[in-house]
Amino acid sequence: QQQVKQSPQSLIVQKGGISIINCAYENTAFDYFPWYQQFPGKGPALLIAIRPDVSEKKEGRFTISFNKSAKQFSLHIMDSQPGDSATYFCATRPGSNYQLIWGAGTKLIIKP
Amino acid sequence: NAGVTQTPKFQVLKTGQSMTLQCAQDMNHNSMYWYRQDPGMGLRLIYYSASEGTTDKGEVPNGYNVSRLNKREFSLRLESAAPSQTSVYFCASNTGGTTGELFFGEGSRLTVL
Repeated sequence: QQQVKQSPQSLIVQKGGISIINCAYENTAFDYFPWYQQFPGKGPALLIAIRPDVSEKKEGRFTISFNKSAKQFSLHIMDSQPGDSATYFCATRPGSNYQLIWGAGTKLIIKP
Repeated sequence: NAGVTQTPKFQVLKTGQSMTLQCAQDMNHNSMYWYRQDPGMGLRLIYYSASEGTTDKGEVPNGYNVSRLNKREFSLRLESAAPSQTSVYFCASNTGGTTGELFFGEGSRLTVL
């Protein structure tokens, strides 16, 4: 079973700081990299996604950085706010005929 | 719009009992999914239905059955519940394909004693 390894498991960041969550995958066939955000008691919701033909995608304070040679992708949250406190999941897939494979999740706490 | 609605939200079962989790979506989506979420393990796909009339196994199908009742509804059945099936179950839907944004319900928390 192919995997995606997400780190750290938990993260505490001060308000206004940068939150960084990393994911590593196993082979270069992986071709789609979304990040989902989940608040307590809710289902996950798509935050931002990237394809491997670009190295970075930015939406507001959220940026995905993609390193194809290292087989890693990261979520950066700039100017982190208490409302960003949630669990974040990375996901990917080894090709168009496959379902998403999910990371284990990172619980992010932003301290005021 | 309600989006994806799951029932029940909470359920406690004894080992060996059966139950069905219900899911309905009002977004006219073709594909529907059942996931389970366990601490430290992310989301694991149990079954999915790419379109009405089809169902396929995901990563962890053992102990579960599904029914795609119509385009809107996708149910998950536990025939003989085991403590290992204690989890939070999420139903999701999308227009189709794995790059389509997944829309999740709020989850059903199941405890098997």
